[in-house]
Amino acid sequence: EAGVTQFPSHSVIEKGQTVTLRCDPISGHDNLYWYRRVMGKEIKFLLHFVKESKQDESGMPNNRFLAERTGGTYSTLKVQPAELEDSGVYFCASSQTGWGEQFFGPGTRLTVL
Amino acid sequence: AQSVSQHNHHVILSEAASLELGCNYSYGGTVNLFWYVQYPGQHLQLLLKYFSGDPLVKGIKGFEAEFIKSKFSFNLRKPSVQWSDTAEYFCAVNAINTGGFKTIFGAGTRLFVKA
Repeated sequence: EAGVTQFPSHSVIEKGQTVTLRCDPISGHDNLYWYRRVMGKEIKFLLHFVKESKQDESGMPNNRFLAERTGGTYSTLKVQPAELEDSGVYFCASSQTGWGEQFFGPGTRLTVL
Repeated sequence: AQSVSQHNHHVILSEAASLELGCNYSYGGTVNLFWYVQYPGQHLQLLLKYFSGDPLVKGIKGFEAEFIKSKFSFNLRKPSVQWSDTAEYFCAVNAINTGGFKTIFGAGTRLFVKA
């Protein structure tokens, strides 16, 4: 069974540019989460999808971040325009239930110059 | 606001030493508790979890954790560490509220085990 995959693994962009991160969850997992980890800090919750609906997006930093999950399968997280403080590792995770074990992807390391 | 505090950011041990990593959380409601581990070059993966029942839970690779509700703690332990336990360990709390579930992570503890 394939795990959670994320693309790209690394992205280096300049301030003001746009970047789109993609996450493919484990097949059949209705719950999909996005997290961000700034260097040395905690893994911070961004948002939670149940199928294609946003269950909780209270962790999204601001309106420069837009997450979608069309069709309830893969998800994208777009940052537009990117700022220096958006740098970090963005993790995606999926789970069968909202309260159970989450399976994590390898993360996308975003660097904004 | 809900938060998770891990007491140590870096721990260095020799092989065969005992390990205890502290984790405290602040949330007055029902919680599910987790320890995740990230080995070098690998994904985050589940080490163990507590939902209910026996507060002493056992996970993979000889790890265990004890939930002490009165202390809002969920400390991770291993009697004898191995070099292969070198990794970063994250405590996480799934807070169950009227809006659903939200997972809060601690800042992580980097463990280095000397051979």
